[in-house]
Amino acid sequence: QKEVEQNSGPLSVPEGAIASLNCTYSDRGSQSFFWYRQYSGKSPELIMFIYSNGDKEDGRFTAQLNKASQYVSLLIRDSQPSDSATYLCAVRGQNFVFGPGTRLSVLP
Amino acid sequence: DAGVTQSPTHLIKTRGQQVTLRCSPKSGHDTVSWYQQALGQGPQFIFQYYEEEERQRGNFPDRFSGHQFPNYSSELNVNALLLGDSALYLCASSLGGGGPDTQYFGPGTRLTVL
Repeated sequence: QKEVEQNSGPLSVPEGAIASLNCTYSDRGSQSFFWYRQYSGKSPELIMFIYSNGDKEDGRFTAQLNKASQYVSLLIRDSQPSDSATYLCAVRGQNFVFGPGTRLSVLP
Repeated sequence: DAGVTQSPTHLIKTRGQQVTLRCSPKSGHDTVSWYQQALGQGPQFIFQYYEEEERQRGNFPDRFSGHQFPNYSSELNVNALLLGDSALYLCASSLGGGGPDTQYFGPGTRLTVL
């Protein structure tokens, strides 16, 4: 069973700080990596995807991928209370596999 | 640009019954994937439909079946409902034929089995 692991949290950061979310995966054949945000009672919303080693920036979000270490992370700069949600890491190998999500709480 | 739509929003069934959930993909998308999300967990892949055929399947029993229509919309059918089938059922659409397969989710159908 191919797995994706995330710390369940909650991860609490003060408003304006950098939130760092981490994800590891077991399938070395994985090709694409995604971060989704899910507010309570809502469906997942795509934040960004990455498929090359290194960093990819989009506004306040930066995704980082290290295929050798089978590790992908998401940094959120200048965290806002509205960023409080569960962040899901998804990995595309043969199938789409989601991690259990990390609950982020941004404290005003 | 119409996003992914799902119906119904909520559904209550009793054990042993059958249910059909519906999904219309985002405009321009031809691939539909279905997921089950239990409370507090990440979505679990059920199956994916492309060109009206089941292309991939996750670890779900045969009670879960689906269909894709020529207009790319899709149905998820669950037979002989169990209490454990209570969950949020998510449909995601993407553009098939290769590439990163970026998936966009619909609002979900909340199924409660009593």
